[in-house]
Amino acid sequence: NAGVTQTPKFRILKIGQSMTLQCAQDMNHNYMYWYRQDPGMGLKLIYYSVGAGITDKGEVPNGYNVSRSTTEDFPLRLELAAPSQTSVYFCASSSDGRVYDYTFGSGTRLTVV
Amino acid sequence: AQSVTQLGSHVSVSEGALVLLRCNYSSSVPPYLFWYVQYPNQGLQLLLKYTTGATLVKGINGFEAEFKKSETSFHLTKPSAHMSDAAEYFCAVTYNNNDMRFGAGTRLTVKP
Repeated sequence: NAGVTQTPKFRILKIGQSMTLQCAQDMNHNYMYWYRQDPGMGLKLIYYSVGAGITDKGEVPNGYNVSRSTTEDFPLRLELAAPSQTSVYFCASSSDGRVYDYTFGSGTRLTVV
Repeated sequence: AQSVTQLGSHVSVSEGALVLLRCNYSSSVPPYLFWYVQYPNQGLQLLLKYTTGATLVKGINGFEAEFKKSETSFHLTKPSAHMSDAAEYFCAVTYNNNDMRFGAGTRLTVKP
């Protein structure tokens, strides 16, 4: 039972490059989330999805895009990377009707130089 | 808007001593409250949660927290610290499934 799998674990990007952070879950959860974690700032919600084909913005969506074509996958796209996007990114999922049932991936550490 | 404040970015205790990590919340509606733990280079793991019912909540690894509405607090405690408790702890609040707000975190150090 893998839970939530994030790839890659580490990545260095140059300013202006783009990349996709992958997130997959095998628990048949409908709800999926992307957070970023900055030192001393806790986690902030970037985007979330309540099911395949449905996505919505969170607290800090600027500079990111998401898609949800399947229940299992929720990729996060960075276009035109900026130093301000240097952070640790966490994907999480939860099942319907249980607001506290978050399972987190192990994170992707991204550095933009 | 809901928010969470964790008092103290770093807490240091001796092994065997009481652990107390403080969390205060701001919410315009009855909150759901959580404590998560994060070990180095790992994701967050749920320690315990309060949704409804009993205000004293017991979680994993001997931790517990009490929801005090009058004080808008949800402090995390453990009677006796272990070296393995050294980690970062996050308090979080939400009232729906789509907007969980996290505190800035408290790093717990346990001295031998």
